[in-house]
Amino acid sequence: GENVEQHPSTLSVQEGDSAVIKCTYSDSASNYFPWYKQELGKGPQLIIDIRSNVGEKKDQRIAVTLNKTAKHFSLHITETQPEDSAVYFCAALSGGSYIPTFGRGTSLIVHP
Amino acid sequence: EPEVTQTPSHQVTQMGQEVILRCVPISNHLYFYWYRQILGQKVEFLVSFYNNEISEKSEIFDDQFSVERPDGSNFTLKIRSTKLEDSAMYFCASSINNGGRSPLHFGNGTRLTVT
Repeated sequence: GENVEQHPSTLSVQEGDSAVIKCTYSDSASNYFPWYKQELGKGPQLIIDIRSNVGEKKDQRIAVTLNKTAKHFSLHITETQPEDSAVYFCAALSGGSYIPTFGRGTSLIVHP
Repeated sequence: EPEVTQTPSHQVTQMGQEVILRCVPISNHLYFYWYRQILGQKVEFLVSFYNNEISEKSEIFDDQFSVERPDGSNFTLKIRSTKLEDSAMYFCASSINNGGRSPLHFGNGTRLTVT
């Protein structure tokens, strides 16, 4: 099955800085890569996703890049704000299943 | 915006007891899921449900677990005889299509504490 590795486990930045979270996946047939944000006491919420037919996708301050050859994808948050503080999970969906496999999560802390 | 709702938010039970966790998925969604998250660890898939039957399950989802959609709105997870290691956050999710074609929408979770 699919295996997703996520780094770093904790990321601390100053407000206004950029943050980058990286994930790798094992199944070359994976074709869908969602990112979820989990705020304290809540369930994960989808913030952006990318499919394997594109290399980059942007939505305001967040962007995701995908390198299929290297089997890694990254989340980029620019101009971070304190409300971006949360746990972020990457996920990958292998071609043989429709169940996303999640990474271990990254705790992002944005200091005002 | 429609939401997935879960009840209760926190459940405390004694080891060996049965618990039922309840979920109301988004009304026009067709696929339903249960995930769990042990404190500080990754979100782990338990089971998916479509067309009134289990479509996929993980190794975690053994005979102690069962799911049911008793009516047109509720989706439940039952743990027959709870163990200490069942303590975790349990998340229900739903999607309009399967997880590869549309995103999962998660509820806020039920924190299960087994003592």
